[in-house]
Amino acid sequence: AQSVTQPDIHITVSEGASLELRCNYSYGATPYLFWYVQSPGQGLQLLLKYFSGDTLVQGIKGFEAEFKRSQSSFNLRKPSVHWSDAAEYFCAVGPADGLTFGKGTHLIIQP
Amino acid sequence: DGGITQSPKYLFRKEGQNVTLSCEQNLNHDAMYWYRQDPGQGLRLIYYSQIVNDFQKGDIAEGYSVSREKKESFPLTVTSAQKNPTAFYLCASSIPGVGNQPQHFGDGTRLSIL
Repeated sequence: AQSVTQPDIHITVSEGASLELRCNYSYGATPYLFWYVQSPGQGLQLLLKYFSGDTLVQGIKGFEAEFKRSQSSFNLRKPSVHWSDAAEYFCAVGPADGLTFGKGTHLIIQP
Repeated sequence: DGGITQSPKYLFRKEGQNVTLSCEQNLNHDAMYWYRQDPGQGLRLIYYSQIVNDFQKGDIAEGYSVSREKKESFPLTVTSAQKNPTAFYLCASSIPGVGNQPQHFGDGTRLSIL
């Protein structure tokens, strides 16, 4: 069975600092991987996705993620965070019609 | 613009009452989903439908029911059998069988018990 682990429930980062959110997955085949962001009281917005090719993928809002098969990881990064990045971030694995989500990481931005 | 519309944004239920959450999409997607979100729990799948007139139970289907009479619509009924219905409910859609295409989400409905 496929699964996703986001080890960090909360992360606090100073505005302007770099960010890395961790995601580890378990999947029996070549995975489809997604990162979503959720602002309070809103739905989920897709940040980026990976299914093949270059292991470093670029997304919206300046985010990128790197797929590492040997570590079963798909960590999300941003070189310099903005206060507007404060939100809940979800990693997901699987085909779109069979997605499994992690429990999310809550990102707090300090001024 | 294409998208998913969930209504209402806020809903209140009395004890013993059934309520129906609406989800409409104009993305021409065949697959639709309902998730429940509780703090610290992530998203849990309630029901999903790959095609009109067909749907399957997800991980937490007890106390919920759905219908899929039209491609665009996938309403969720929270029945009185659901003992803890207070949660944020999210509807999503996707193109089935195309794994790299993401699910698209609505803005959610927050259900509370009076």
